[in-house]
Amino acid sequence: DGGITQSPKYLFRKEGQNVTLSCEQNLNHDAMYWYRQDPGQGLRLIYYSQIVNDFQKGDIAEGYSVSREKKESFPLTVTSAQKNPTAFYLCASSMGDSSYEQYFGPGTRLTVT
Amino acid sequence: AQTVTQSQPEMSVQEAETVTLSCTYDTSENNYYLFWYKQPPSRQMILVIRQEAYKQQNATENRFSVNFQKAAKSFSLKISDSQLGDTAMYFCAFMKQWGAQKLVFGQGTRLTINP
Repeated sequence: DGGITQSPKYLFRKEGQNVTLSCEQNLNHDAMYWYRQDPGQGLRLIYYSQIVNDFQKGDIAEGYSVSREKKESFPLTVTSAQKNPTAFYLCASSMGDSSYEQYFGPGTRLTVT
Repeated sequence: AQTVTQSQPEMSVQEAETVTLSCTYDTSENNYYLFWYKQPPSRQMILVIRQEAYKQQNATENRFSVNFQKAAKSFSLKISDSQLGDTAMYFCAFMKQWGAQKLVFGQGTRLTINP
């Protein structure tokens, strides 16, 4: 089945540690995105990538880093510089210029204590 | 920069009733797309309906329809014959037609359908 997978579903880390969230898609989509969702708020864009080996900052990129070495994969690293990392993180993908619909993964709930 | 506002944090209706969720947006763009996404308790984001700004006809998808008022920058979602499975958070979202495909979301409306 085609789709987007995010792992793990729940992730716990100690403050000061970097953590990497996985996002994989087998939809052959060119573009991939990372969003953050906080309670009572909508999604906010962290980073996006429209093509392999290229990515751009979104609205809240500080404290995060990404890579796009393969078309299928767009991992997100939450660094110790992110002041409030506890949140729900959603990955999405789309065809790119030819289609505007974004498909979302199931999300990862990150808790940092 | 674009902004999306949903003024109803929570709504509640009885099963089979019709409910309308409000959304307004602010943009200087003339060409763009508007979306309604549903997020049930599973937290999976599901596209409900989309509207191209250049189309005057309002989009419909089965029980879901929109009222798109471009001049007023308003984009409301109407759910007819509501069902228990419609219980979810609903997000309105905006995307420019040209350039990077960045979605800008509203704060969401929590909709509860009561039996």
